[in-house]
Amino acid sequence: ETGVTQTPRHLVMGMTNKKSLKCEQHLGHNAMYWYKQSAKKPLELMFVYSLEERVENNSVPSRFSPECPNSSHLFLHLHTLQPEDSALYLCASSQEGFVADTQYFGPGTRLTVL
Amino acid sequence: QKEVEQNSGPLSVPEGAIASLNCTYSDRGSQSFFWYRQYSGKSPELIMSIYSNGDKEDGRFTAQLNKASQYVSLLIRDSQPSDSATYLCAVSATASKIIFGSGTRLSIRP
Repeated sequence: ETGVTQTPRHLVMGMTNKKSLKCEQHLGHNAMYWYKQSAKKPLELMFVYSLEERVENNSVPSRFSPECPNSSHLFLHLHTLQPEDSALYLCASSQEGFVADTQYFGPGTRLTVL
Repeated sequence: QKEVEQNSGPLSVPEGAIASLNCTYSDRGSQSFFWYRQYSGKSPELIMSIYSNGDKEDGRFTAQLNKASQYVSLLIRDSQPSDSATYLCAVSATASKIIFGSGTRLSIRP
């Protein structure tokens, strides 16, 4: 595996389900990010982790819960989501924890909430 | 007012011509500026980054920054059909905060 990988690539869930998105980076980077991309809306930065510590949480609802067990893995735990949470969720990584660094994006998880 | 504003397009440019993409931003304290390219159904990839006023060239791409006017642009010379994509402008004012524009859809016609 190379670069940034994300699983699953597609996910359909009901509002009462609990699911998790997984991201893994094979680049030796120290920072990882979660973004949300909705149709017709700008890409939104959700969470930033640097050296496994969360350094940014952009007022994301608590139904989204990130976890970074090590610098190579990042999870996004989902529970009691709303239909408006349907979007493409992108993971990215960079060498250090600065958004001025080049960020490398994964392919994304297309999430549909019914 | 949107924090980072781009014309959504589509911008249609003939093959071989220069494509000019524009972006304005509202935070005067912004320090870092980026252009990402996103093909349909794919994730964004970085094309250019620029940090100081003036021009920065990389191959067929030139980024231009004017902090006084709060304006950043991307020029693509000798446009190719493979340049057809959505171009995202992103601006960072702090080390951990980056704001993206909605993107400009560029179409290169043969």
